[in-house]
Amino acid sequence: AQSVTQLGSHVSVSEGALVLLRCNYSSSVPPYLFWYVQYPNQGLQLLLKYTTGATLVKGINGFEAEFKKSETSFHLTKPSAHMSDAAEYFCAVTFNDYKLSFGAGTTVTVRA
Amino acid sequence: DADVTQTPRNRITKTGKRIMLECSQTKGHDRMYWYRQDPGLGLRLIYYSFDVKDINKGEISDGYSVSRQAQAKFSLSLESAIPNQTALYFCATSNSGGADTQYFGPGTRLTVL
Repeated sequence: AQSVTQLGSHVSVSEGALVLLRCNYSSSVPPYLFWYVQYPNQGLQLLLKYTTGATLVKGINGFEAEFKKSETSFHLTKPSAHMSDAAEYFCAVTFNDYKLSFGAGTTVTVRA
Repeated sequence: DADVTQTPRNRITKTGKRIMLECSQTKGHDRMYWYRQDPGLGLRLIYYSFDVKDINKGEISDGYSVSRQAQAKFSLSLESAIPNQTALYFCATSNSGGADTQYFGPGTRLTVL
């Protein structure tokens, strides 16, 4: 069965520091990969997604992620954290036509 | 106006009560989904619908039922609510499957006492 693992349920970074959120999946076939962000009291919003083609994907708010098939990973990064990046982040994958499988989520705190 | 709306946004109810959560969308999408979010578990799929006449169970459908009243409306019901159904519930829509983005509503926070 396919699964998604997000390493670290909480990440704390200083404002201006690198944000790195890790996501690994288990599958024998390449999936479609997504990162969603959830701000307090809001629904999930798409940050970026990988479907095919270029493995480095750029998203909104300065985030990017790289699909590494050999490592079955899709880690999310942002070079310089901003206070507004404080939120919960979810990695998700789909291997078929309808079902998104979500990781457990990583809460990001940004220190001034 | 939001593309995907959910009502109510918050609900407190008692064990054994019947509850309906409603979702409406203006994106014109055929596919709609209901998820529940629990801390540390991410989101899990309850039901999904590819069109008005095509409704399917997700991974955690026990204790829930749904109704697709129209392309734009998809309701989730708890026939007899129990405390472990306390969670945050999200509706989502997509144009099709696979690589298509799912768009989420703001969520309904349900507490079952």
